[in-house]
Amino acid sequence: NAGVTQTPKFQVLKTGQSMTLQCAQDMNHEYMSWYRQDPGMGLRLIHYSVGAGITDQGEVPNGYNVSRSTTEDFPLRLLSAAPSQTSVYFCASSYRPDRGRPDTQYFGPGTRLTVL
Amino acid sequence: AQKITQTQPGMFVQEKEAVTLDCTYDTSDPSYGLFWYKQPSSGEMIFLIYQGSYDQQNATEGRYSLNFQKARKSANLVISASQLGDSAMYFCAMREGVGGSYIPTFGRGTSLIVHP
Repeated sequence: NAGVTQTPKFQVLKTGQSMTLQCAQDMNHEYMSWYRQDPGMGLRLIHYSVGAGITDQGEVPNGYNVSRSTTEDFPLRLLSAAPSQTSVYFCASSYRPDRGRPDTQYFGPGTRLTVL
Repeated sequence: AQKITQTQPGMFVQEKEAVTLDCTYDTSDPSYGLFWYKQPSSGEMIFLIYQGSYDQQNATEGRYSLNFQKARKSANLVISASQLGDSAMYFCAMREGVGGSYIPTFGRGTSLIVHP
């Protein structure tokens, strides 16, 4: 199993450009989520999905869109990049926390994004 | 208000000694899960240990143990016999059940440095 994969690993954008961060998992996890990590702030939830076709906002959703058309993929779209979106982005996935199944989140390797 | 509080921005420990990293949480949900992750300088998020709110015993995984004090709403990570490779950021996270999204919220982290 590849686990959770993210592409690209690094990206530099200019203010106003748009782009999509890709995330895929091969563990048949129901739950997927996007976090951003900034120095001293820990990981903050951007958007999450509890299954194909279902998404919801997290703590810091402004400026980002998501969709979940398949169980495996959960792309994050930056609509019009701003310097405040310079960050490290992590995708994570887990099973739905049913009784008897561990709901540990597995993380991708992260994407380091710089917006100039 | 923060749901997860890690009050120690940085900790130092001598190799082979034990160290406790503090974590307090805030929830009114009777069903929740608590996680600890390690993030070395390479950047990946590594799952260490999990404690469920209904678990009667403290969780242990090798040199890691979770000191779970439910009434105090604390979930401290204890690392026994520290090694140089334990130098990293450590994050505490909580997943709320019935009243929450089931997606974990993270604290701001504690930087641990192990001295030889």
